[in-house]
Amino acid sequence: DAMVIQNPRYQVTQFGKPVTLSCSQTLNHNVMYWYQQKSSQAPKLLFHYYDKDFNNEADTPDNFQSRRPNTSFCFLDIRSPGLGDAAMYLCATSRDRGLEADTQYFGPGTRLTVL
Amino acid sequence: QKEVEQDPGPLSVPEGAIVSLNCTYSNSAFQYFMWYRQYSRKGPELLMYTYSSGNKEDGRFTAQVDKSSKYISLFIRDSQPSDSATYLCAMRRVKAAGNKLTFGGGTRVLVKP
Repeated sequence: DAMVIQNPRYQVTQFGKPVTLSCSQTLNHNVMYWYQQKSSQAPKLLFHYYDKDFNNEADTPDNFQSRRPNTSFCFLDIRSPGLGDAAMYLCATSRDRGLEADTQYFGPGTRLTVL
Repeated sequence: QKEVEQDPGPLSVPEGAIVSLNCTYSNSAFQYFMWYRQYSRKGPELLMYTYSSGNKEDGRFTAQVDKSSKYISLFIRDSQPSDSATYLCAMRRVKAAGNKLTFGGGTRVLVKP
């Protein structure tokens, strides 16, 4: 009964080689988020989708892009990974935006290694 | 100064002890408060969710919110080695854009058998 699924769990890429991380959800939630989490740090929000409406955080580098082709799936594209992009990437969902009693549910994460 | 402060630990306790965790925050607009547990190399898992001030209990876990002091706590009773993890506090404003959460940096907890 997995709810937020991320693939792959571990990804190794080379410096500068584009990589795509995948997230899917069975919760039918409207909002999907991508976070970057480095070792011993809090998750850092990169962007979120409310339905098809894309919302970028002001400090998210242009190197990071996202696509949401339908309600269930969301992708994180890193166009030219640098060594500093090695991190855990977390996908999360929430039911809707602005609901008072709502919070975020996280997937297991994809650990990205850049060689 | 960070909006949410959390002692990184590690906090080491013997099995069966009470684990006491806390966060302080500066933004009085925060109204919703959460605690997440994160095992090594896994995603955060929601443990407790509270609104405004007060206490909430769920099994061995008790969450407390003191908005007047801008201070939240999580207590774990009868701690088990399986409680060893990093605990993240998170909070958000009412009608925050995209339900955006502000996280503390996490406290690493070690429960020794």
